[in-house]
Amino acid sequence: AQSVSQHNHHVILSEAASLELGCNYSYGGTVNLFWYVQYPGQHLQLLLKYFSGDPLVKGIKGFEAEFIKSKFSFNLRKPSVQWSDTAEYFCAVKVSFQKLVFGTGTRLLVSP
Amino acid sequence: EAGVAQSPRYKIIEKRQSVAFWCNPISGHATLYWYQQILGQGPKLLIQFQNNGVVDDSQLPKDRFSAERLKGVDSTLKIQPAKLEDSAVYLCASSLDLFSGSYNEQFFGPGTRLTVL
Repeated sequence: AQSVSQHNHHVILSEAASLELGCNYSYGGTVNLFWYVQYPGQHLQLLLKYFSGDPLVKGIKGFEAEFIKSKFSFNLRKPSVQWSDTAEYFCAVKVSFQKLVFGTGTRLLVSP
Repeated sequence: EAGVAQSPRYKIIEKRQSVAFWCNPISGHATLYWYQQILGQGPKLLIQFQNNGVVDDSQLPKDRFSAERLKGVDSTLKIQPAKLEDSAVYLCASSLDLFSGSYNEQFFGPGTRLTVL
């Protein structure tokens, strides 16, 4: 069955620290991967996506993610976090008919 | 551009009562999704519509949940009767067209937070 694992449920960082959030997927078809973000009090929104080509994908607000097929991973990174990055981050994989399967999410708290 | 609208934002009911949620997608979006997000979990797709037809309802508990999109625009999701484990945020999302040949981004609404006592 398709699944997405996010092993870090809560992450606390200081401003300017580097961020890496883990995401591993289990899916046998063509892999399309996503990171969504939900800022406090706001809607879920797309941060970045991977469909094909360059496995290093750049998204909004300085985020990037690297697709490593051999490790079934799609980790999210940011070199230097800001207080405004405090949010919940969800990794997702697209399965049939544009259906998304989400991970359990990682709550990031950035202290100023 | 107006986003996905949902109402109510919050609802508290007692178990065995019924409840309905409403969603108005972004104008022109043919595909509409209802997700259930239980606290501490990621969103789980309940049902997916393309215009007024159901594409996927494999994870919808059909003994108590129902959804419709009669005119292919707005949609309602109903729970009858509600159970304690139905406490969750119910998210609606929409995208341009499921069958356009390319992936269309899903845009999410603010959600309805349901508490069943």
